[in-house]
Amino acid sequence: QKEVEQDPGPLSVPEGAIVSLNCTYSNSAFQYFMWYRQYSRKGPELLMYTYSSGNKEDGRFTAQVDKSSKYISLFIRDSQPSDSATYLCAMSAWGSNSGYALNFGKGTSLLVTP
Amino acid sequence: KAGVTQTPRYLIKTRGQQVTLSCSPISGHRSVSWYQQTPGQGLQFLFEYFSETQRNKGNFPGRFSGRQFSNSRSEMNVSTLELGDSALYLCASSLGEGGTEAFFGQGTRLTVV
Repeated sequence: QKEVEQDPGPLSVPEGAIVSLNCTYSNSAFQYFMWYRQYSRKGPELLMYTYSSGNKEDGRFTAQVDKSSKYISLFIRDSQPSDSATYLCAMSAWGSNSGYALNFGKGTSLLVTP
Repeated sequence: KAGVTQTPRYLIKTRGQQVTLSCSPISGHRSVSWYQQTPGQGLQFLFEYFSETQRNKGNFPGRFSGRQFSNSRSEMNVSTLELGDSALYLCASSLGEGGTEAFFGQGTRLTVV
């Protein structure tokens, strides 16, 4: 079983819809949680970064972390065709000796149709 | 502020050859991590360097190696290339102290024929 599970989709929604993307994980040591957006043939772009549990909002994007359930979510409000991309969740523990290694979900492909 | 720069963007190599990829992190960032992305396995961690020292290594064979220079630039090397090494290789840059945000470059697309 992978440490991070993410539904690959594809997920297709109409323009203006609220999109909900989710990941589950098994390693209780994870403390840092990120969401990346990746367009075809490009590198991942950091969208949201959260430390520990709680919510964080940035414009149309809201990230939620529930460490008790080992579950994280990304919500996109008023979705636009330009949001069509693959969304990757990533998470990590960190130690001064062990450093920093991100564990990724396999990504969810999102298509927002006009 | 310049982002993470990876060179070259595309490479085609023959089985058995070796290859070196380069990554220049964001100015002031001391940590550089490397990842391999394939359609089947997704993004997988290769290794992380901080202040010229390898701090963490993923589950890849010894053919994959890397190093970091005093200016934080990093290179990764793959020797004796196999067809299965065809992938997008991504470099991520972060401050390196604590679990700060990691920013990725555009990647190097390696094709082994």
